[in-house]
Order: sequence, then C-alpha cells, then structure tokens
Amino acid sequence: SQQGEEDPQALSIQEGENATMNCSYKTSINNLQWYRQNSGRGLVHLILIRSNEREKHSGRLRVTLDTSKKSSSLLITASRAADTASYFCATDLQGAQKLVFGQGTRLTINP
Amino acid sequence: GAGVSQSPSNKVTEKGKDVELRCDPISGHTALYWYRQSLGQGLEFLIYFQGNSAPDKSGLPSDRFSAERTGGSVSTLTIQRTQQEDSAVYLCASSLIPRYNEQFFGPGTRLTVL
Repeated sequence: SQQGEEDPQALSIQEGENATMNCSYKTSINNLQWYRQNSGRGLVHLILIRSNEREKHSGRLRVTLDTSKKSSSLLITASRAADTASYFCATDLQGAQKLVFGQGTRLTINP
Repeated sequence: GAGVSQSPSNKVTEKGKDVELRCDPISGHTALYWYRQSLGQGLEFLIYFQGNSAPDKSGLPSDRFSAERTGGSVSTLTIQRTQQEDSAVYLCASSLIPRYNEQFFGPGTRLTVL
C-alpha cells in the first residue's frame, strides 16, 4: 500500500466552512509536504513541515504532524470556491532521496 | 523561464510507437524527478536525477521506459513501443537540492495511446 494515504478520499463542504484532510504514513520521515493540484495538471507546493516540528501555519493553512502516530493533518480555514482541488501529502523518507505521494483528497467547495 | 516547462502538453500516439517527453527544469535546480499520474490517481515515482546521473530508477515500470538528462538541465523521458496502459499524465519536477526542499512541478504531458 502507499506510504502516504490521505483520508478522506473526497470531501465536499460549503464555502466558509473549514476543511480537514488527514495523511498517514508508514516509515520514518525527514519531512512531510502538502501539495495542491488543480485540474489534474501540475502540483503546487503548499507547506513543508519537518519531522521535529509539530505544527505550522501559512495563511489559512494549518498543518500538524504527529510522528508517534505517523500522521499529519491539513486544515484549510474559511474555505473558498478557489480551494476546490486535489490535495496530496508527500513524505521524504529517511535514507531515500525522493518524495512518496499519497493518493490525494479531492476537495470540493460549494458556493 | 520562471518555472518548469514540459513539452508537448498533449501527445496522442498509436500503440507500438515511441514517444519522447521533454522537461526543462528551473535553472540551477540540481534535482529532477519524473512522475506518472493515471486518471484520478496519485503520483507514481518513475526516476530521479541528481545532476546528470540517476541514483534512483526504481520506479520505471519496464525496460520500455528510459530517461536521460544532459548538461544538468533538460531531461527526456522516452517510452518505446507504447502500450495503452502507458496513457497517463507525465509530470516533471525539479528542486534546488534533493532534500528538505519543495519540488516545483511542470504542467505535465498528457499522453494518450490509442
């Protein structure tokens, strides 16, 4: 199975609500990143959290990392229609030099 | 250019033909990655370059797939004798150094094998 697995696979909420997506992984990591993908094309980096960090903020984004549970969450506050996209977590495995991506969460923000 | 560019943006080919996909990374980025994404799926790692060498080719699905990078810059992914299951979006990304850095993605090449 995938190193990074997002949950839920799909999420639909009303504009203005908060959206929470979760990511679980299996092996030790150096860092974890979240990316957004619109329309199935290029990904855009959102935020990176290192293994020794527990929480990080960037604008309306809040990421947490729990290395004991091997999980991370991405919270988008006050969602907007433009946040509609797929969101992927990616882990930088210790001993490897590549990112391993999960299957993604498809987020739909309804106006 | 300011970002990673890929060409062509779309490629339709017939089964059995060879295709070449090109990636121009951000200038100065030493690491370059190729991924494949099937419809509605996550990213599948194919190969990673550090400079012109490929320390990790573990994701290449078969010997029909090969990639090279020249001058520490442009990379070409070649698929020989294409099959219908090769249809996917092929994404290229680059980063300044392999670790602890975000990857910058190109817009991808959508490959359709008929």
